[in-house]
Amino acid sequence: EIVLTQSPDTLSLSPGERATLSCRASQSVSGNFLGWYQQKPGQAPRLLIYDASSRATAVPDRFSGSGSGTDFTLTISRLEPEDFAVYYCQHYGRSPLTFGGGTKVETK
Amino acid sequence: EVQLLESGGGLVQPGGSLRLSCAGSGFTFSNYAMSWVRQAPGKGLEWVSSISGSGDNTYYADSVKGRFTISRDNSKNTLFLQMNSLRAEDTAVYYCAARPRVGALGASDFWGQGTLVTVSS
Repeated sequence: EIVLTQSPDTLSLSPGERATLSCRASQSVSGNFLGWYQQKPGQAPRLLIYDASSRATAVPDRFSGSGSGTDFTLTISRLEPEDFAVYYCQHYGRSPLTFGGGTKVETK
Repeated sequence: EVQLLESGGGLVQPGGSLRLSCAGSGFTFSNYAMSWVRQAPGKGLEWVSSISGSGDNTYYADSVKGRFTISRDNSKNTLFLQMNSLRAEDTAVYYCAARPRVGALGASDFWGQGTLVTVSS
């Protein structure tokens, strides 16, 4: 099983600032089959990034994903008020699929 | 518009069974792989199971293997999760999720709003 470790647990930033979230895998993620999701309180997750760097439909271009192998990053170039949420990475190259523990982006 | 509506959640005693359903609309159901993902209260996301568009291929998390069964009825645009031998640690909101590919494994583009399963005596 691939274990995904996200850091930091919490990121305290102000609107307009840049957010950099990390996801580290315990072994190489084949095909860079890694995605990022956003979840707001009381809502279902929303897919932001798939295959490490491809934006999902209707996702603003301030969200970008990068990385390969075992180290992946989600970057939000300039935080908007609606971006304060919890973010999860997920690998899906093989079973079992796993999620990281999440990073909460909160208002400073 | 893709819509997913889960149902079947509720309160069940430890050792009991429950069957969740997820009705899909707005898309060609058999062309989409489907998954169940759960979230315990105040916790993170946990993948539970996935099934290919045809239903031929299924995958399970170790935590539910042998107790849960995923299936689908493409003629009724419905996904199921049969949950047996339920434990307190199965208490969670269960989300149905879909991806527009027939292969079972992948990122999920569309999600339902979830149904709460509570396992307690």
